[in-house]
Amino acid sequence: QITLEESGPTLVKPTQTLTLTCTFSGFSLSTTGVGVGWIRQPPGKALEWLALIYWNDDKRYSPSLKSRLTITKDTSKNQVVLTMTNMDPVDTATYYCAHKADGYNDWGQGTLVTVSS
Amino acid sequence: DIVMTQSPDSLAVSLGERATINCRSSQSVLYISNNNNYLAWYQQKPGQPPKLLVYWASTRESGVPDRFSGSGSGTDFTLTISSLQAEDVAVYYCQQYYTTPHSFGQGTKLEIK
Repeated sequence: QITLEESGPTLVKPTQTLTLTCTFSGFSLSTTGVGVGWIRQPPGKALEWLALIYWNDDKRYSPSLKSRLTITKDTSKNQVVLTMTNMDPVDTATYYCAHKADGYNDWGQGTLVTVSS
Repeated sequence: DIVMTQSPDSLAVSLGERATINCRSSQSVLYISNNNNYLAWYQQKPGQPPKLLVYWASTRESGVPDRFSGSGSGTDFTLTISSLQAEDVAVYYCQQYYTTPHSFGQGTKLEIK
């Protein structure tokens, strides 16, 4: 059984850096072809793809957010970390991590991050 | 970037009737070398994460009822629910994973008529 769980602050101030951790089980990020991605969803709005890290440490980012995002993995801990700098109220959203195999097969429950002073 | 456009934005269908949702990509998501379309469909119910329904445009994820089917190739795709059930009320998204960013459509809200 594959599970993913997002953790991190629920409230950040404008200009601060957000750090989110995805802790997963049931698969290995050492397996060829596997990836873990981050997707966000502002309240009442559509899904927005943010970043993806592959088993071989290949990292991909949304071009519009690339300057603000960093994705890393710790294979021994089964964790993927996403950092987003210079947070703004428009970044208020539920942030999901997901296991990518064929499509994004498995998702965490998401964590709501509110950006407010 | 590949832009994904779904139609309609919302849809109301009677129980037991067919529901059809369309998705168009701004460029082909068909990888010629393996003949796979890098297109997935997700279902999202209120307060829940998205759930993968279909990948490779037409392969149903394990456990997904067979009333859900995906079709299409290249740039035009369709998700069909053959006989709508009450539990199918949700927002449906298509996504291309042919190239990053792995963009999503804007979503289609499906309701009961």
